Amino acid sequence: DQQVKQNSPSLSVQEGRISILNCDYTNSMFDYFLWYKKYPAEGPTFLISISSIKDKNEDGRFTVFLNKSAKHLSLHIVPSQPGDSAVYFCAATPHYGGATNKLIFGTGTLLAVQP
Amino acid sequence: DAGVTQSPTHLIKTRGQQVTLRCSPKSGHDTVSWYQQALGQGPQFIFQYYEEEERQRGNFPDRFSGHQFPNYSSELNVNALLLGDSALYLCASSRDTVWEQYFGPGTRLTVT
Repeated sequence: DQQVKQNSPSLSVQEGRISILNCDYTNSMFDYFLWYKKYPAEGPTFLISISSIKDKNEDGRFTVFLNKSAKHLSLHIVPSQPGDSAVYFCAATPHYGGATNKLIFGTGTLLAVQP
Repeated sequence: DAGVTQSPTHLIKTRGQQVTLRCSPKSGHDTVSWYQQALGQGPQFIFQYYEEEERQRGNFPDRFSGHQFPNYSSELNVNALLLGDSALYLCASSRDTVWEQYFGPGTRLTVT
């Protein structure tokens, strides 16, 4: 049962344009959402997160939008740069007593930014 | 400030053998989680350690066990290795009650 879904295995974007990566989830208990970027032969790197009480969070070129009613979130990268080329994972975690909790990951989207 | 470190980087084992993987958390972090990432998949949660005890466990058999030491470092042990255990094993650390987890580079385990 895939609770976090990234339906686009890959995405190709021109340098300078916007990249939009999408993620859907099924579990209404998820309370916090995170995006990670992964280069080959490296561990995932934390990018940006959003709590379920917000609908938008921004950090530089990265913005995450959350639509709770649709159980959908998206990551916008503007402007896209060749160094952004990597696999992007969406992750979610349920709120259990405030403790750090397990992350449930999607299968990832490979972003290729063309110069 | 050193991030999360893992050892070894790569490991090749034979079916039926046992393996131990090691993780040192980021400075100031007290919680360690282990994940298994198979090819083409997202990381899957194995278990989490806090205050030297296993606090949560994912859907993995008892062949997978772990330990956390007083300095917060951690080990993952896998007994009776199967071919299907071949994967990238990731360690993530965090401060308790903080949502963000920071990952190490992983250990690539190959079982032949």
